Amino acid sequence: GAVVSQHPSRVICKSGTSVKIECRSLDFQATTMFWYRQFPKQSLMLMATSNEGSKATYEQGVEKDKFLINHASLTLSTLTVTSAHPEDSSFYICSAPRQGATEAFFGQGTRLTVV
Amino acid sequence: GESVGLHLPTLSVQEGDNSIINCAYSNSASDYFIWYKQESGKGPQFIIDIRSNMDKRQGQRVTVLLNKTVKHLSLQIAATQPGDSAVYFCAENTGFQKLVFGTGTRLLVSP
Repeated sequence: GAVVSQHPSRVICKSGTSVKIECRSLDFQATTMFWYRQFPKQSLMLMATSNEGSKATYEQGVEKDKFLINHASLTLSTLTVTSAHPEDSSFYICSAPRQGATEAFFGQGTRLTVV
Repeated sequence: GESVGLHLPTLSVQEGDNSIINCAYSNSASDYFIWYKQESGKGPQFIIDIRSNMDKRQGQRVTVLLNKTVKHLSLQIAATQPGDSAVYFCAENTGFQKLVFGTGTRLLVSP
């Protein structure tokens, strides 16, 4: 079964509104989680590293004021897309490393459509 | 900058054929690579991984080959099935499962 759960799986919002996406590790604690974005027919691009109890680390070119990340507990990280625009429409995917495991565990992804 | 790339965007094969998907990487210091399968609308699914101290690793119907001399890795799928149709990504672990993904190859398997 899934060890990382992402919610919602798809969301449609109006331009200018904000959308929150949740990423939960189900049976382990994750002090770090990663957020990726994937545009249609493209690869996954790392947006930011979410750190429990401290500020997220953003990749170059990713606006931290637009993509707010909160890692409030050891099992939950949230990504909020603020003032969403149509160009923010994408597939957002989180992953969480687990101690002792070599592979990263990915969420199911969230399809965001901004209209 | 550092990147992981693929040569073929689409690979079409017949059911039962063997498939080979290739990937080139640029960071010679990379020591861990992973292949993922992604079906439409879903997150990446782990297939197989390999460390840089190995040149070959086999799983069930899949084999990953690593050539550090030319910074190239490949994924071989034996007896490809329609259920193998998906996009395949190689990824480079840059530290604690922080991944850099390749551009992806779409595998189309015809019955």
